[in-house]
Amino acid sequence: GAVVSQHPSRVICKSGTSVKIECRSLDFQATTMFWYRQFPKQSLMLMATSNEGSKATYEQGVEKDKFLINHASLTLSTLTVTSAHPEDSSFYICSARQGANSYEQYFGPGTRLTVT
Amino acid sequence: DAKTTQPTSMDCAEGRAANLPCNHSTISGNEYVYWYRQIHSQGPQYIIHGLKNNETNEMASLIITEDRKSSTLILPHATLRDTAVYYCIVRFLYNQGGKLIFGQGTELSVKP
Repeated sequence: GAVVSQHPSRVICKSGTSVKIECRSLDFQATTMFWYRQFPKQSLMLMATSNEGSKATYEQGVEKDKFLINHASLTLSTLTVTSAHPEDSSFYICSARQGANSYEQYFGPGTRLTVT
Repeated sequence: DAKTTQPTSMDCAEGRAANLPCNHSTISGNEYVYWYRQIHSQGPQYIIHGLKNNETNEMASLIITEDRKSSTLILPHATLRDTAVYYCIVRFLYNQGGKLIFGQGTELSVKP
């Protein structure tokens, strides 16, 4: 099956710094990528949808200036958490879809962010 | 997309069938039922999906009632590795933006 990778798998950063998380589709071209956030004992919450070459669409309540998403190529999307705070500590998961007419969505392994 | 209701948690004995129910009473005619699972601290994994006919693959079977208002995911011979949170999601096949919206899911514990 299709593989989606994320890097890093774990990151610890200091409050006020920015951290970038990469999401890559390894064996297919992802026209659409999705970013989710998951707090402990909770379900996945969709943050934003990004289409290659265009601006991301953010879900209600998600600050686009804080969570910068770039989908510059068909195999790479990045999520940058700017000016991170301890409350941004979470499990961030990306997902990729191959094309507009593809129903399958493949998930990455997740990135554990801890802000100290 | 229609909303789903699942039990919060279930237990199953290893080797027995695990039957996970899902209610989706507001499902529309063109919406599919999807199942994903998430093993602790990993990304979700696709299991199966269906419209109105029962479906089976190497992982599980999906039984959808005739009125499509509920469905059951069946893991025929549960193993310890099937311990996970199982999510039932209803969505159009090619819905706007292709978003998958997750509910709370069912935490399945397979016990020896």
